[in-house]
Amino acid sequence: GAVVSQHPSRVICKSGTSVKIECRSLDFQATTMFWYRQFPKQSLMLMATSNEGSKATYEQGVEKDKFLINHASLTLSTLTVTSAHPEDSSFYICSAPWGNTPLHFGNGTRLTVT
Amino acid sequence: AQKITQTQPGMFVQEKEAVTLDCTYDTSDPSYGLFWYKQPSSGEMIFLIYQGSYDQQNATEGRYSLNFQKARKSANLVISASQLGDSAMYFCAMRPMDSNYQLIWGAGTKLIIKP
Repeated sequence: GAVVSQHPSRVICKSGTSVKIECRSLDFQATTMFWYRQFPKQSLMLMATSNEGSKATYEQGVEKDKFLINHASLTLSTLTVTSAHPEDSSFYICSAPWGNTPLHFGNGTRLTVT
Repeated sequence: AQKITQTQPGMFVQEKEAVTLDCTYDTSDPSYGLFWYKQPSSGEMIFLIYQGSYDQQNATEGRYSLNFQKARKSANLVISASQLGDSAMYFCAMRPMDSNYQLIWGAGTKLIIKP
C-alpha cells in the first residue's frame, strides 16, 4: 500500500531557530500534500495544502512567512518552521491522497521549542 | 456549514465488550465520504474504515463496522470484542464533494479499554 514517510519524528530546538520537516511519498507520486497541526487532546487542524510545482495554499490564520512550505518534487514536501517560538511547539503531521484511497499519513513530528 | 460532531470526548469500556463511537455529520452535498481514523498515543493516524454516501450496505473491516444511517446523518463506528490495543483517540472525518481530498474532522473520542 501507499506509504508516507515523515522525518524527523521528534525535534527539540531553541527559540529563534528554524526547523525543517520532510514528508515523502515512498511508492507513489503526490501532487498534493496536506500539512496539519495538532494541539494536545485536539483534532487535526489543516494548515496548508502543498502543491507540486506551485505555491502552497494556506488556511486562514496560518502565517505563510512563519510556516514555509516547499513541494519541489512529486515525492517530497517540506514544512519549515522559521524563527520558532515556544508557542510553535506542537504535533505536525502530513498526509497525501493517492487515487481513490483514504488519505495516507506520515507518522508525525513532535516539535518542542525551548 | 459542513461539520462533523463527535459528542463523546471520552469513553471507558471493559475489554471484550463491543463499543460504539458516535459521529454525526452535516452537509448538503449529495455525494460525500465518511472515514474513521485511529490515533494511538504514538501519534500516527491509522485508517480504519470508509463509507461512501451512495453505498447501500454498511462498511465492515474485521472488528470494525460503520453503522451508517443516512437520513439521520450519522456514521457511528462499532468495534466488536474490544482489545486493550484499541485504546486510542478515534476521529470521524468527512470528505465533501469536490474537496480535493481535504477532510473535515470531528473533535475525536478518547477510548480507554479496561482490562
